[in-house]
Amino acid sequence: QSVLTQPPSVSGAPGQRVTISCTGSSSNIGAGYDVNWYQQLPGTAPKLLIYGNIYRPSGVPDRFSGSKSGTSASLAITGLQAEDEADYYCQSYDASLIGVFFGGGTKLTVL
Amino acid sequence: EVQLVESGGALVQPGGSLRLSCAASGFSFRNFAMSWVRQAPGKGLEWVANIPQDGSENKYVASVRGRFTISRDNAKNSLYLQMNSLRAEDTALYYCARDSHYGSKDYWGQGTLVTVSS
Repeated sequence: QSVLTQPPSVSGAPGQRVTISCTGSSSNIGAGYDVNWYQQLPGTAPKLLIYGNIYRPSGVPDRFSGSKSGTSASLAITGLQAEDEADYYCQSYDASLIGVFFGGGTKLTVL
Repeated sequence: EVQLVESGGALVQPGGSLRLSCAASGFSFRNFAMSWVRQAPGKGLEWVANIPQDGSENKYVASVRGRFTISRDNAKNSLYLQMNSLRAEDTALYYCARDSHYGSKDYWGQGTLVTVSS
């Protein structure tokens, strides 16, 4: 069982909005540790998508947004495009386990 | 342009050792903490180890603590991962990543493959 729990898969049609959840606990997200999100296209290295819960690195489209509340965080993607089809991972720090953890990953399928 | 290039991956027998390297360029290496992250075939990402700018207070995931050692040479702009007592479950693509704001990994290499098998 992952420290950070993500749905294994989500899907949406082009142009639609999808959200990916990342559920943690009182020792990680709920303790105030920041959440970062990564996109991994097939056969490539992960790419930073959102950092510090809500910030987008330069070059990331504003169709991608992050939020955090309580022990959970979410990644929202609006105006879905075929090129968004990828695996998405959340990441945070856990104070009890004293380490960095990634969620199990969510595969986004664009229908 | 920031570049991270890993090397040293190979096929190794269980119980064996391997040393991975990551050559960094395009940024002031000595000013950034660095991490190793791995991905087993068909699986998700797993953080392995982290080293701060000065090489002190390194941290490891529990499953590799005592077997792996992360180190760096700021004069050579290089990051290393010494892996001992390797197990089948260590088989993965190992990525070198730069640590940045809020604990994020803002740049990643392309990875080097480690296969532990007899």
